[in-house]
Amino acid sequence: DIQMTQSPTSLSTSVGDRVTITCRASQNINSYLNWYQEKPGKAPKLLIYATSNLQSGVPSRFSGSGSGTEFTLTISSLQPEDFATYYCQQSYNTPRTFGQGTKMEIK
Amino acid sequence: QVQLVESGGGLVKPGGSLRLSCAASGFTFSDYYMSWIRQAPGKGLEWVSYISSSGRTIYYADSVKGRFTISRDNAKNSLYLHMNSLRAEDTAVYYCAREVVVSATGLGFDSWGQGTLVTVSS
Repeated sequence: DIQMTQSPTSLSTSVGDRVTITCRASQNINSYLNWYQEKPGKAPKLLIYATSNLQSGVPSRFSGSGSGTEFTLTISSLQPEDFATYYCQQSYNTPRTFGQGTKMEIK
Repeated sequence: QVQLVESGGGLVKPGGSLRLSCAASGFTFSDYYMSWIRQAPGKGLEWVSYISSSGRTIYYADSVKGRFTISRDNAKNSLYLHMNSLRAEDTAVYYCAREVVVSATGLGFDSWGQGTLVTVSS
């Protein structure tokens, strides 16, 4: 199974900050890396698919990059509604696997 | 609009069984792979199982293999998860989710249901 490791696992940030979350895969997954945002009591929401493609309706302050085994999610200027937990997930093969999550909190 | 609505969750004793359902609407259900994904209380996301659009290809996580069975009825736009021999560690919110898959590689779970809670406890 492909292991997905996110860092950091928690982040204390402020509105307006630029934030980067890293996700590493235990083997090459080409560009099959997706990012999700989860808020308490709600289902996860797909933000970015295939490394860098913004899902419809997602603000342009979110961006993704990387390839192979190392990937990043960047939020260019944090907004109050962005405080949430973020997960990466590989869809290169089965079983589909998720990172452990990065919880973003207000400083 | 795309809608996925899970049902069937509840409290069950260890060793018991439960069947979850997911009713899909707003899209051509038979065109999409579907998955079950769960989240234990206070924990992260764990993929459980997927079924191809035709139902011919099925995969399970090792943690549920031999105990859970995924199925679908494209005529009824419905996805199911039959869960047997339930354990305390199966306690979680169970989500159904839609995935675009091309040649066995996916492009993310782009639609999710609201989830249904399964609690395994004596």
